Amino acid sequence: SQKIEQNSEALNIQEGKTATLTCNYTNYSPAYLQWYRQDPGRGPVFLLLIRENEKEKRKERLKVTFDTTLKQSLFHITASQPADSATYLCARGGTALIFGKGTTLSVSS
Amino acid sequence: DAGITQSPRHKVTETGTPVTLRCHQTENHRYMYWYRQDPGHGLRLIHYSYGVKDTDKGEVSDGYSVSRSKTEDFLLTLESATSSQTSVYFCAISESASGESSTDTQYFGPGTRLTVL
Repeated sequence: SQKIEQNSEALNIQEGKTATLTCNYTNYSPAYLQWYRQDPGRGPVFLLLIRENEKEKRKERLKVTFDTTLKQSLFHITASQPADSATYLCARGGTALIFGKGTTLSVSS
Repeated sequence: DAGITQSPRHKVTETGTPVTLRCHQTENHRYMYWYRQDPGHGLRLIHYSYGVKDTDKGEVSDGYSVSRSKTEDFLLTLESATSSQTSVYFCAISESASGESSTDTQYFGPGTRLTVL
């Protein structure tokens, strides 16, 4: 079956460090991957979309990479801040988006 | 929340009762979705709509029905609620669902927390 997996349920880092979150997909070659942020008690919010022919995409302190050989996308937050603490979801397109289970990032000061 | 409202925001009901959740959008987007989110399972698609009166099943559609009589409204009905349907329900909208376009980006409502006793 087509799967999208975020291997880490939780990631704890110190303020100022770079957080790296992983998204893997199997049995499918998505034309793009999307990343969303979800805060407790709220709906997910779109952050970035990266296409298969784009190796890297940036938005302020966020960077996403797409490696079609490894079937993997990495999501980086540089100079992380406590306000970055949230759950981050990876999703792949199709008739409807299929989401990974998410990685909960905690940034401590 | 991108012009998306959900009602009610919280509901407690008893097993066996019917429940209807409403999603309303002001963005005129063609696609609307209902998800449930549970610990350990993430977001799972229940049903989606690709136009007025056009709907299709998602991954976890058993026990749920939907209707869309107007572009702006998408209703999710639990015909006879069960405790396993206790969850947080999110509505989402998108302009497209091609799997190839940036307009596939989804915008989510604030969610409805449903408890079935």
